[in-house]
Amino acid sequence: GNSVTQMEGPVTLSEEAFLTINCTYTATGYPSLFWYVQYPGEGLQLLLKATKADDKGSNKGFEATYRKETTSFHLEKGSVQVSDSAVYFCALSALGGAGGTSYGKLTFGQGTILTVHP
Amino acid sequence: DTGVSQDPRHKITKRGQNVTFRCDPISEHNRLYWYRQTLGQGPEFLTYFQNEAQLEKSRLLSDRFSAERPKGSFSTLEIQRTEQGDSAMYLCASSSPYTDTQYFGPGTRLTVL
Repeated sequence: GNSVTQMEGPVTLSEEAFLTINCTYTATGYPSLFWYVQYPGEGLQLLLKATKADDKGSNKGFEATYRKETTSFHLEKGSVQVSDSAVYFCALSALGGAGGTSYGKLTFGQGTILTVHP
Repeated sequence: DTGVSQDPRHKITKRGQNVTFRCDPISEHNRLYWYRQTLGQGPEFLTYFQNEAQLEKSRLLSDRFSAERPKGSFSTLEIQRTEQGDSAMYLCASSSPYTDTQYFGPGTRLTVL
């Protein structure tokens, strides 16, 4: 079946440090890949996504590249801020990608807690 | 567009009681999903509706759980004879037929005493 594995946290960084959160997946077909973020006391929000191999998703200074050869979708940010402190979830959709319509259930990783200190 | 809403936000109940949660998706979204999230874990899929049809159910959804989406609008998730293991955050998400992006509501936190 489908699965997502994230690097174990928590991750603690100083402001302006470089961030990498690793994510690898196992899936049949061509899934779409997502990063969701959950700020303290708030619901899950889509951060970025990629729907086919070599696509790069980006938003708010965060980036992730869909690497089919390594089945990875690592999240990166060049300079983190205190406001980036949150829980980050990598996820894949069961169907779709490669330019097609995807409507499948999401499979999530266990989440990575990021804390950024001033 | 007010986003996905869920009610109630918090529910405390005693073991053995029945509880019902409501989800109102974004108005033009025909796809609706329920997930469960326990502390320190990512959300786990429970069930999926396309319009009023329930098309997929997880093995996590025991016989005590039932979900409906009458008329393809709001959805309800009922848990009968609650157990302490049902304590979790129950999340609802919706999406349109033209995208694979799901938009999540704030969740209903259930505590079973």
